[in-house]
Amino acid sequence: DGGITQSPKYLFRKEGQNVTLSCEQNLNHDAMYWYRQDPGQGLRLIYYSQIVNDFQKGDIAEGYSVSREKKESFPLTVTSAQKNPTAFYLCASSIEGGSSGANVLTFGAGSRLTVL
Amino acid sequence: GQNIDQPTEMTATEGAIVQINCTYQTSGFNGLFWYQQHAGEAPTFLSYNVLDGLEEKGRFSSFLSRSKGYSYLLLKELQMKDSASYLCACKGGSYIPTFGRGTSLIVHP
Repeated sequence: DGGITQSPKYLFRKEGQNVTLSCEQNLNHDAMYWYRQDPGQGLRLIYYSQIVNDFQKGDIAEGYSVSREKKESFPLTVTSAQKNPTAFYLCASSIEGGSSGANVLTFGAGSRLTVL
Repeated sequence: GQNIDQPTEMTATEGAIVQINCTYQTSGFNGLFWYQQHAGEAPTFLSYNVLDGLEEKGRFSSFLSRSKGYSYLLLKELQMKDSASYLCACKGGSYIPTFGRGTSLIVHP
């Protein structure tokens, strides 16, 4: 079955450490996205990529970095510069980005990061 | 920029009908989505509206009025499993969906 796999599901990090969240999709989707979800805040866009080797900052990119070396993979690194990293992180993909069509997002199961 | 507003929480009785409203302000408009999210899980797609009117899909329907910047999600014959958060998302001129804060729906017996 096609889908999006995020790992790890739960992650604990000490302050000052970088951590990388994995996101892999086998849907052959061009576009991939990272959202952060905090209680009462809804989903906020961190980074998105519409094509391999290209990505753009979202609304809250500070303290995060991404890469898109392969179509299937879009890892997110939470750096020590991110002041409040404890959150639920959701990766998503869509057939294409930057399109006026429906372009429905398919989400992974999420990664919950806790900073100790 | 975009601004999306929806109620924080709603409660309803099993078997009843509930309407969750969403208002939006956006520069350019390329569609409005509704997603359902159970606690601790991934959001799942419910509906998409790009033209005015009502889209019906089983127990769920979604309505859009572009002139009013308004949408609603209508849930009929409520079941306990419908207790979840309902996310309104708008695709503006950038074509990237922006999400509202979500409406937590509690269905009680």
